[in-house]
Parts: sequence; structure tokens; C-alpha cells
Amino acid sequence: DTGVSQNPRHKITKRGQNVTFRCDPISEHNRLYWYRQTLGQGPEFLTYFQNEAQLEKSRLLSDRFSAERPKGSFSTLEIQRTEQGDSAMYLCASSANRGAQETQYFGPGTRLLVL
Amino acid sequence: GNSVTQMEGPVTLSEEAFLTINCTYTATGYPSLFWYVQYPGEGLQLLLKATKADDKGSNKGFEATYRKETTSFHLEKGSVQVSDSAVYFCALGRFQGAQKLVFGQGTRLTINP
Repeated sequence: DTGVSQNPRHKITKRGQNVTFRCDPISEHNRLYWYRQTLGQGPEFLTYFQNEAQLEKSRLLSDRFSAERPKGSFSTLEIQRTEQGDSAMYLCASSANRGAQETQYFGPGTRLLVL
Repeated sequence: GNSVTQMEGPVTLSEEAFLTINCTYTATGYPSLFWYVQYPGEGLQLLLKATKADDKGSNKGFEATYRKETTSFHLEKGSVQVSDSAVYFCALGRFQGAQKLVFGQGTRLTINP
């Protein structure tokens, strides 16, 4: 069990550019979540997948954001036409579907800075 | 909607002091409750959880009891150590189904030797 990994760990980009982040969950975890955390705040839910199906999206996820999990394993989160307000830590978590006993395991996050 | 309110920080204590970090919640139904911890430079780690009223979660000397009557899940530790310095997040999730977690704003704890 190698844990949840995220790449890159840091990303600096200019306003208007597109960025893509990758999350590799713990193997055999069928649920994968994306959260966003701004400075001094707790993480906020963005979206989640059960296997390859994206089952829920937050209103925070504007149409510039898209997430995929094509084979039910790794996931990507893409932000198009980045804005300075997108600067945040993007967290990925995975879990095995166990009802009330479900525990989410978080990755180290990708810190995005939009200049 | 669901929300979590945490005691504002930062909190600074001396080693071996008693710790309480308050957490209250608003939720429909019967949520599960969690405390996560984020050590410097690391990702969020689950510290403890409780899934129904009057349950007590415990780990590493930390405890929290799910109090439905006061909608609270306060974190306590009898004797803190320097290594407990971190940011602590209270969170709630749905009792069943996908745990779309709702987090509090976090409380930064610093323990001085």
C-alpha cells in the first residue's frame, strides 16, 4: 500500500494557461475524490468518482474544470483558462466503498499558483 | 446545508497541557464525524472518527465523543507533546454512501517545550 500520490506537487502558471493534475489512488480503491483548499481554510469538495463514473460535482466546479478517471484507476483534473482565483492546494483522496466505515486517504496535494 | 464550525486558532500550549479544540456541526440526518490532522509538509491524515451518537473515537491519546444533543465533536487530549503541533480539521460526512466531506476551517496547534 503505497498511499495516494499526486503530481506535480507544485505548479506555477500564468493566467489563461491550462493546467492538468494527476492523482494515483491506493490500488483497488473504487472511490476517488477531489477537494480544493485555499490558504487558512479547510478543504472543499469538488467532485468524486466511483470507478470510472463521475457521480457528483460541486457548484464550485465551474465549466473551466474537468475531471476524468478513464479506467477507474488514476484521475486527472484539468483547469482551462486559469484565473488567479484558482490558486489553491488541490487534494485527492481515495477510499474503498465500506458504507459508514469508509475512510478517505488523502494525497499530499498539488499546490497551484496562478500569476 | 451541512456545515462545521471549529474553534478559531492559533492555539499555543505548553508540553503536557490539556487540549480541547471545539467543533460543532449543522447537518441533516445522521452524519459521520471525523478529525483529520495535517502535520507540516504532509497530507491530511485521519486522526479519529465516530459514526453514531455517543460513539467515542480515539487514537494516539486523542479522543472525541459524538454528542447529538449539542451537535458537537470536541477534540481532547490529556497531555500534549511537541510532536502534536499541526493543523487539526473537524469534518462531517454522510452516514452511508460516498463521504463527501465538509470540513471546518482548521485549528493550528503549536506546542512549546
